[in-house]
Amino acid sequence: AQSVAQPEDQVNVAEGNPLTVKCTYSVSGNPYLFWYVQYPNRGLQFLLKYITGDNLVKGSYGFEAEFNKSQTSFHLKKPSALVSDSALYFCAVRPAPSSGGSYIPTFGRGTSLIVHP
Amino acid sequence: DAGVIQSPRHEVTEMGQEVTLRCKPISGHDYLFWYRQTMMRGLELLIYFNNNVPIDDSGMPEDRFSAKMPNASFSTLKIQPSEPRDSAVYFCASSLVGGWGTEAFFGQGTRLTVV
Repeated sequence: AQSVAQPEDQVNVAEGNPLTVKCTYSVSGNPYLFWYVQYPNRGLQFLLKYITGDNLVKGSYGFEAEFNKSQTSFHLKKPSALVSDSALYFCAVRPAPSSGGSYIPTFGRGTSLIVHP
Repeated sequence: DAGVIQSPRHEVTEMGQEVTLRCKPISGHDYLFWYRQTMMRGLELLIYFNNNVPIDDSGMPEDRFSAKMPNASFSTLKIQPSEPRDSAVYFCASSLVGGWGTEAFFGQGTRLTVV
């Protein structure tokens, strides 16, 4: 069975500092990995994904994530945090079709990012 | 496209009443998902449809919950009778045909409060 772990319920960072939101996964075969962001009173919004190719993936709003197969991780990063980045961030995984696993993505429990002015 | 549209945005109802949540997926998307979000349990998949057919409803918590998708542009999630523990934010999401590598698009959610 596939699973996602977001080990931190909350991450605090000062505006202008780099931020990292951690995600590790477990899946049979190759993973498809996703990050979503949820602003207050809104639905989840897609940020970026890794399917294949370059391990460093760039997404919306200056975010990027690095796929590390040996560590089964897909951490979300941004070089310089903004107060407006404060939100709930979700990591999700689904196995590649060739793995024969479920199409349904598994979501982590979410990490609350708080950026202080 | 206006994205995934859910209605109502907020619903307050009394215990025992029937509640119907509505969803219009993005045109052309052939997968539709219903999720429930609570502080305690996070984001839970309730049911999903492929080409209007329910594929997996193992996440539906009880028989009080039912979902339908009569056509490609409309789905409902019904709770009858509702209970206070059903209070949560319910999200509908859709994704594109052949979409193993595609992301899901979420609606803004319906915040349900059962008193």
